[in-house]
Amino acid sequence: DAKTTQPNSMESNEEEPVHLPCNHSTISGTDYIHWYRQLPSQGPEYVIHGLTSNVNNRMASLAIAEDRKSSTLILHRATLRDAAVYYCILRSGNTPLVFGKGTRLSVIA
Amino acid sequence: NAGVMQNPRHLVRRRGQEARLRCSPMKGHSHVYWYRQLPEEGLKFMVYLQKENIIDESGMPKERFSAEFPKEGPSILRIQQVVRGDSAAYFCASSPRSRSDWYGYTFGSGTRLTVV
Repeated sequence: DAKTTQPNSMESNEEEPVHLPCNHSTISGTDYIHWYRQLPSQGPEYVIHGLTSNVNNRMASLAIAEDRKSSTLILHRATLRDAAVYYCILRSGNTPLVFGKGTRLSVIA
Repeated sequence: NAGVMQNPRHLVRRRGQEARLRCSPMKGHSHVYWYRQLPEEGLKFMVYLQKENIIDESGMPKERFSAEFPKEGPSILRIQQVVRGDSAAYFCASSPRSRSDWYGYTFGSGTRLTVV
């Protein structure tokens, strides 16, 4: 599996936008970019995924660089409930998801 | 529409006993994945199953651990002769088909196993 690099931790103020970066310089043409998050004491939760074009859903937006070597998960207005570990994962075909260390997001009231 | 159901939520076993963890996938999902999360560590893939088949068990420890997903009923992760190092949160996920580059996984709330 191609590898991703994320900052260990980030901090945001409540009600402000958050941009969570992910580098994946060895991404292949068939790799989809997935984002999951894990709230404290809970199972991971799917957030969003994309291939080449930017994606929006009710939870977040995913901005993918033109060369696909990096992407950014955007939470438009952070709330305290968004405090979690965010995982950026590359996946193609039917291989299982492989989780890295992710970014621990803290949200300050 | 119930999500992925795991039970029990908490399980305490003495060293040497057996632990059985159950996972009922979402309705319509035929692919199940088990992950383990040791305290303060990341999620590690263990095994991927379809009905009556083990597709990928590359993350399963070689001894004491087994998994099944029978034609009827939930998927079971079985740990024989548990040791303290097996204490962890075990998460199950399901997807409607294997090409999850198109579909996300849905995870359960996990079973927290404590070995005393």
